Amino acid sequence: EDQVTQSPEALRLQEGESSSLNCSYTVSGLRGLFWYRQDPGKGPEFLFTLYSAGEEKEKERLKATLTKKESFLHITAPKPEDSATYLCAVQAYQSGGSNYKLTFGKGTLLTVNP
Amino acid sequence: NAGVTQTPKFQVLKTGQSMTLQCAQDMNHEYMSWYRQDPGMGLRLIHYSVGAGITDQGEVPNGYNVSRSTTEDFPLRLLSAAPSQTSVYFCASSWTSGRAGELFFGEGSRLTVL
Repeated sequence: EDQVTQSPEALRLQEGESSSLNCSYTVSGLRGLFWYRQDPGKGPEFLFTLYSAGEEKEKERLKATLTKKESFLHITAPKPEDSATYLCAVQAYQSGGSNYKLTFGKGTLLTVNP
Repeated sequence: NAGVTQTPKFQVLKTGQSMTLQCAQDMNHEYMSWYRQDPGMGLRLIHYSVGAGITDQGEVPNGYNVSRSTTEDFPLRLLSAAPSQTSVYFCASSWTSGRAGELFFGEGSRLTVL
């Protein structure tokens, strides 16, 4: 069974204090790993797709990296507007069935104080 | 651009009642899906559709029905509501089934079953 574990559950940073969020996964064959941002009362917003170990993607202050067992979301010099819950999801190759199911982690609640 | 529109945003039902959550997208996306989000759990796939006239079950389909008569619309029907169906429901779409991990989410429908 595919599993995704995100840590920490919650992280509080001061503005400008860089840090990383972790997403550990167990899948039989990784088709893709996805990062989303979710603001309170809203639907998740897609951020990145990573397909293979060693791959990196960047967007503004966010950088996502991937190894064979985990992914990191690095946040450089965060601002209060980066406060949100960050979700990680994996999609596995499924023999004889659909490849559409995403397994989501429970998320990391990031709070950036001014 | 409206994106993915869900209605209603809030609904309270009594056990045994039925209702339909509406979802419409105006991006001509081929793939559409329904997820539920519960406290302390990751998002879970209920049903999905890879195109008009084609639907299939996700991870937690029991108690729900879907249909896809047009590209734009993907309603979710609760047949006989149970308290265990109290949740926040998200409709999500993507360009193609091959990019089912890169989802555009609606803002959610919060359902309470008494």
